Amino acid sequence: DQQVKQNSPSLSVQEGRISILNCDYTNSMFDYFLWYKKYPAEGPTFLISISSIKDKNEDGRFTVFLNKSAKHLSLHIVPSQPGDSAVYFCAPTLSGSARQLTFGSGTQLTVLP
Amino acid sequence: DGGITQSPKYLFRKEGQNVTLSCEQNLNHDAMYWYRQDPGQGLRLIYYSQIVNDFQKGDIAEGYSVSREKKESFPLTVTSAQKNPTAFYLCASSIKVEGTRPQHFGDGTRLSIL
Repeated sequence: DQQVKQNSPSLSVQEGRISILNCDYTNSMFDYFLWYKKYPAEGPTFLISISSIKDKNEDGRFTVFLNKSAKHLSLHIVPSQPGDSAVYFCAPTLSGSARQLTFGSGTQLTVLP
Repeated sequence: DGGITQSPKYLFRKEGQNVTLSCEQNLNHDAMYWYRQDPGQGLRLIYYSQIVNDFQKGDIAEGYSVSREKKESFPLTVTSAQKNPTAFYLCASSIKVEGTRPQHFGDGTRLSIL
């Protein structure tokens, strides 16, 4: 039972354009959402997060949007740069729980120069 | 620089053999985690520990064991009972086990069966 789905395993974008990575979840109890970025042969690193009390959080070139009714979140990267090429994981969680994150399967983003 | 160190980077196991993966952190974090990643899949939690001498099973704990004798160390043993151990193993830590706390990851250990 996959609680988190990232339906696009890969995405290619031209440098300078917008990258949009999507994530769908099924558990309506999730109330905090994190995005991680992973380069080959390295561990994931935290990128940006959003609480369910918000519908948007922005940090520089990265913006995360949350649509609770649709149980959908998306990560926008504008403008995309070649160094953004990595695997991106979304990880919904329960803020008040002593529990782990639930990771999606990831989307490989390739930014073409 | 603070961080998480996993060793070795690559590990080979013979059938019927137990192997131990090392994870050390100098971030002074209370919580530590072990995940497994298979191709095309997300990270799945094996075990986590909130404090020293405490650990809890995650979603796929069968065939694995852990210990937490020191705050900075959380070794994972892949036992012979784990029938499909070939995977990429990631260790992580956070200030505490709480959903909003970002986890810091090591660079992983790739385990293969000979």
